[in-house]
Amino acid sequence: DAGITQSPRHKVTETGTPVTLRCHQTENHRYMYWYRQDPGHGLRLIHYSYGVKDTDKGEVSDGYSVSRSKTEDFLLTLESATSSQTSVYFCAISESQGGHEQYFGPGTRLTVT
Amino acid sequence: GESVGLHLPTLSVQEGDNSIINCAYSNSASDYFIWYKQESGKGPQFIIDIRSNMDKRQGQRVTVLLNKTVKHLSLQIAATQPGDSAVYFCAENIQGAQKLVFGQGTRLTINP
Repeated sequence: DAGITQSPRHKVTETGTPVTLRCHQTENHRYMYWYRQDPGHGLRLIHYSYGVKDTDKGEVSDGYSVSRSKTEDFLLTLESATSSQTSVYFCAISESQGGHEQYFGPGTRLTVT
Repeated sequence: GESVGLHLPTLSVQEGDNSIINCAYSNSASDYFIWYKQESGKGPQFIIDIRSNMDKRQGQRVTVLLNKTVKHLSLQIAATQPGDSAVYFCAENIQGAQKLVFGQGTRLTINP
């Protein structure tokens, strides 16, 4: 998985609780992305980062926030989890501008009950 | 589009045959395309990419063809093997954008 790890790999949480997912890379790539994957919707971009402390929204950013305080870590936070946020979350990295050649992590399966 | 789900387009081929997986895109400003393979329970895996100034690119057992006139992309897998069973999907980058847009996936099943 191109030097990308995600933690936790599986999580079950209750509605209304905060959740933070971590993506860690050892490739020193500049760009990092968070996606969610759902049946019927495919991969959808939540947020992305184009450098330390530089982030931007994707197409499904409501209810999510991100932070990137150092190159290797990109955190995704659900401030108050809802059942609609039950999904598989993937992190991706790229060293190329323009979203090219992204490499994905193993994913985190999140269930909100 | 759907990349994982009950209504995913499927393609079944015999082991050893060639497979062709198709993808249509709609934005003529897209200048970069990429194919991914996703096995059950894993993250998408990069297969091959192509820029819009090319019509064809070959990798190991895979070839990507780009037809900009009809906005069509295809992935050809030669001598399909059981390990090729997966969901395949394409993605495009619109020139100037910092992100990929993922298209429909196709589930490839290999029959022995």
